[in-house]
Amino acid sequence: EVLLLESGGGSVQPGGSLRLSCAASGFTFSSYAMSWVRQAPGKGLEWVSGISGSTGSRYYGDSVKGRFTISRDNSKNTLYLQMSSLRAEDTAIYYCAKDLDTAMLSLFDYWGQGTLVTVSS
Amino acid sequence: QSALTQPASVSGSPGQSITISCTGTSSDVGTYNLVSWYQQHPGKVPKLMIYEGSKRPSGVSNRFSGSKSGNTASLTISGLQAEDEADYYCCSYAGSRPVVFGGGTKLTVL
Repeated sequence: EVLLLESGGGSVQPGGSLRLSCAASGFTFSSYAMSWVRQAPGKGLEWVSGISGSTGSRYYGDSVKGRFTISRDNSKNTLYLQMSSLRAEDTAIYYCAKDLDTAMLSLFDYWGQGTLVTVSS
Repeated sequence: QSALTQPASVSGSPGQSITISCTGTSSDVGTYNLVSWYQQHPGKVPKLMIYEGSKRPSGVSNRFSGSKSGNTASLTISGLQAEDEADYYCCSYAGSRPVVFGGGTKLTVL
């Protein structure tokens, strides 16, 4: 059974930093691209960042480019999102999502339960 | 403002069919056959319903179907049921970007 378990969310002040983790199990983690997708309260889904499985190539949405860094540790089956210079508009539930392929295809077949990040003074 | 355009809401009666459109550009939907659709019930995690434009994952009802014409992808739900009431999001591969979502459509079963 594929499981994705996010952690690391919480409350932080504007300008602060936070690191999210996503522990994966039930599949060969290194063989699949992974992404972070967020959903602000009452809003739609927004793709944040992704990393391919084979080459480790990294991709970012325009709204987080230069502030967020995605990484993966295939030995620990874990995906990370380092978030810095956080803004109020980054407040959202952050989901970890598995792609159907090793390349970034934007076909997300499994999602974690999400972790809430609140940016507020 | 989302990269893909969806209607904010659609509605239908039980047993009817509805179609949700998802309009992109030649840089995403129009070029790549990598459109996916997600169903999200309130407070729940998104669920993959259609991928690669028209393929259904195992376990998804065959009442759900997908298609594409030009820069517009569509999700059709036939034999509408109360449990289909949810938010639906389209998503497309977009090359260098590389992922874009639609703004979401709220489906109401009357």
